[in-house]
Amino acid sequence: DGGITQSPKYLFRKEGQNVTLSCEQNLNHDAMYWYRQDPGQGLRLIYYSQIVNDFQKGDIAEGYSVSREKKESFPLTVTSAQKNPTAFYLCASSAGWGTNTEAFFGQGTRLTVV
Amino acid sequence: AQSVSQHNHHVILSEAASLELGCNYSYGGTVNLFWYVQYPGQHLQLLLKYFSGDPLVKGIKGFEAEFIKSKFSFNLRKPSVQWSDTAEYFCAVIGAGNMLTFGGGTRLMVKP
Repeated sequence: DGGITQSPKYLFRKEGQNVTLSCEQNLNHDAMYWYRQDPGQGLRLIYYSQIVNDFQKGDIAEGYSVSREKKESFPLTVTSAQKNPTAFYLCASSAGWGTNTEAFFGQGTRLTVV
Repeated sequence: AQSVSQHNHHVILSEAASLELGCNYSYGGTVNLFWYVQYPGQHLQLLLKYFSGDPLVKGIKGFEAEFIKSKFSFNLRKPSVQWSDTAEYFCAVIGAGNMLTFGGGTRLMVKP
C-alpha cells in the first residue's frame, strides 16, 4: 500500500540529547513536510522540502534540522537546542508544491523528553 | 504571513444535532482550502478541499464546506452529526508563498 511511514511511534529522549525521527513515503511525491502539533496550537510547520537535496525553514525551525538525500526520505533531527521538544510530530508529503495539491500525513511520532 | 483562525476550540453536541465549525484566513490572494480530520488515535485525513469552481464543496461522510471569499471564510457543516464524528478538525490554507498553514483545531465531542 502507498503511504507515509513515521517511526518510531513513541520516542523518549533525555535532556541534552539529539534524536532523529524517521519519515518515509512510497507515493513518489516531490514535496515533504514536518509539522509539530501541540494542544490548542494546531500544526506548525518546522521544515519543508520541495525536491530532493533542497529544504527550507518553516515557522518554527529553531532547534531542528533535516536532510533530503533521497526522494522518499525526510528525517527530522530534534537537537539539544530545541528548548521544548516534547510534542507530537507529523510528517506529510504532496505531489507538488503550492496550489492544487493536497498533503497526506503519516501517523505521527510522539516525542517525550524525560 | 498568512494565518488561519478556528474560533471554536471545543464543541460538544448531541447526536443528530447540526454542526458548523468556523474557519477564517488572512490571505487576500488566491487560496486553496482544506478541512482535515483526526479521529482518536488515527492520522490526519482529508475531509474535503476547495481549489476552484463551486464554492460549496461536498466531502466524505456527509460533510460540506462553503467558501465565502468576501468573508475570508471556509466553514465546515454537517446537518446531523453522529457519535463517530467525535474527532479533532483542522482547517488549512495554501496561499501566500504556497505554504500550507493550519488553524488551531476544533475538538468535537458528540454525545450518544
